[in-house]
Amino acid sequence: DAGVIQSPRHEVTEMGQEVTLRCKPISGHNSLFWYRQTMMRGLELLIYFNNNVPIDDSGMPEDRFSAKMPNASFSTLKIQPSEPRDSAVYFCASSKTAYGYTFGSGTRLTVV
Amino acid sequence: QQQVKQSPQSLIVQKGGIPIINCAYENTAFDYFPWYQQFPGKGPALLIAIRPDVSEKKEGRFTISFNKSAKQFSLHIMDSQPGDSATYFCAASIGTYKYIFGTGTRLKVLA
Repeated sequence: DAGVIQSPRHEVTEMGQEVTLRCKPISGHNSLFWYRQTMMRGLELLIYFNNNVPIDDSGMPEDRFSAKMPNASFSTLKIQPSEPRDSAVYFCASSKTAYGYTFGSGTRLTVV
Repeated sequence: QQQVKQSPQSLIVQKGGIPIINCAYENTAFDYFPWYQQFPGKGPALLIAIRPDVSEKKEGRFTISFNKSAKQFSLHIMDSQPGDSATYFCAASIGTYKYIFGTGTRLKVLA
């Protein structure tokens, strides 16, 4: 089992550019989560998918953020346009049940 | 009411010591309390979890103590080792997906 796979590991982009983060959940897991981690705000849930359907996106900061899960093995988080305050580590996690997430190694995003 | 308050923010102990990390919550509807361990450059990893129907759970050197009446729970690390140096997060959920995480405790175990 390769675990939750995120790409890229690091992303540096200029303000105003579009950024796409990618996630491959663990096979057989039916729930997928996107989290953002910053020193100031800690770990924040951005959006949750169950069986590829977005269930709760109340944590998405604003319309600049969007997430998709076209199939059970792939999800994307897109920021357009990016801003310096979006700089953070973005984690994807998956789960087979409501309990016990498995996190990926994260994407460190820097917007300059 | 959705917050989980975690303390201390950082902790330094000698090898073999027993660091204790505390968390408190308000929402009595929470029914699942996991602890996560995070090493630099890695995602958080589930360490141990407890439900409010038990007062203590042990897994190896890690113990969760749960006080339902006080709405508090804590993580104890027995015989701590330098390899335990990491950031620890408590969390709580209401039987669904939405974990509320504490702010984290950075632990350093001195050799």
